[in-house]
Amino acid sequence: ETGVTQSPTHLIKTRGQQVTLRCSSQSGHNTVSWYQQALGQGPQFIFQYYREEENGRGNFPPRFSGLQFPNYSSELNVNALELDDSALYLCASSLGGGRVYEQYFGPGTRLTVT
Amino acid sequence: GQQLNQSPQSMFIQEGEDVSMNCTSSSIFNTWLWYKQEPGEGPVLLIALYKAGELTSNGRLTAQFGITRKDSFLNISASIPSDVGIYFCAGQPSNTGKLIFGQGTTLQVKP
Repeated sequence: ETGVTQSPTHLIKTRGQQVTLRCSSQSGHNTVSWYQQALGQGPQFIFQYYREEENGRGNFPPRFSGLQFPNYSSELNVNALELDDSALYLCASSLGGGRVYEQYFGPGTRLTVT
Repeated sequence: GQQLNQSPQSMFIQEGEDVSMNCTSSSIFNTWLWYKQEPGEGPVLLIALYKAGELTSNGRLTAQFGITRKDSFLNISASIPSDVGIYFCAGQPSNTGKLIFGQGTTLQVKP
């Protein structure tokens, strides 16, 4: 069974640029959630995708957007990057239905905005 | 918005000691989960709790879902050096897929 994978591992971008982060869910999981973790903080929920549809969104501006593909992998896109977007971006996958709350995380993508 | 208060913020203990940490919320949660995160890695799920009053164990770890549904506790017995890391509680509000995380408890174990 393959766990959650994310790419790239690290990324450095300049303020104003756009970035795309990728996530492959654990085998058999159809739900993907994205979180932002600032240094020294707990993860903050960005949004969740279930069967290619957005299924809930946290308090993040529209320049944070996402996609889920038929194979349940997902992308997180961030436009017009700001310095405060520097963080660890975590993807978590889960099964739909009653066990949707057991979310399994990938290793994250460390984004640095300069 | 909903927040979780996790305490203590950090702990420095001797190997072999037991550890307790807790999480409280002003809101009711349907599910409580406990994760451990080590440097450079994503959080790893330790225990999931689904019912008020539920007590669940995973090896030396025991967690409880508070009967008010507003709190949860994690205990680690006979700590070992590999228990070092940051422990996060996470609660799931009703009818949503999101998890709300606490600020984390940093655990250090002295051999």
